[in-house]
Amino acid sequence: EADIYQTPRYLVIGTGKKITLECSQTMGHDKMYWYQQDPGMELHLIHYSYGVNSTEKGDLSSESTVSRIRTEHFPLTLESARPSHTSQYLCASSVRGEGYTFGSGTRLTVV
Amino acid sequence: GQNIDQPTEMTATEGAIVQINCTYQTSGFNGLFWYQQHAGEAPTFLSYNVLDGLEEKGRFSSFLSRSKGYSYLLLKELQMKDSASYLCAASGGSYIPTFGRGTSLIVHP
Repeated sequence: EADIYQTPRYLVIGTGKKITLECSQTMGHDKMYWYQQDPGMELHLIHYSYGVNSTEKGDLSSESTVSRIRTEHFPLTLESARPSHTSQYLCASSVRGEGYTFGSGTRLTVV
Repeated sequence: GQNIDQPTEMTATEGAIVQINCTYQTSGFNGLFWYQQHAGEAPTFLSYNVLDGLEEKGRFSSFLSRSKGYSYLLLKELQMKDSASYLCAASGGSYIPTFGRGTSLIVHP
């Protein structure tokens, strides 16, 4: 049974559209993260949060924003989708000293 | 800066033992993670090493040498379902791990 949920699972959207990828966790974890991963490649950190009203930028943050109004919810917004955004987006949460729990991911295709 | 290096691909036979190596260069190192990722799925946590030595967890064990910047994941009694990508991730001063590209393990009968 998953404790961290991502929706949608798959999304195909046109260039220029604004999209929000949802992520929620029921474990009460303070730390949450968004990663981007292309097939066979490493995970790249987009944004992370250490708690409510705390957000930080990762390596690939320039074209997206996040918010953390509630502990359990950490949505990622792309203001204007481009074909280069086509990828898998993984949300994760953790407590210090333990490994990440990942969601099932959102596979995004921008056409 | 941070750098993670692990082999791209390995093959092994069902029932055998395989060792996947990982070297890292991380400022303010504070821990080494291993994750398993099946094709098309999210990574799942396998192990976390902070101190030097071997940590055993069932068929999987993980080793860390902080002085050498080196870790390995040891898989025993390989099963077909162990075919997956194995990701090494080193955590530094920010406590945010940097992930390697992963080692694709192919287990054949």
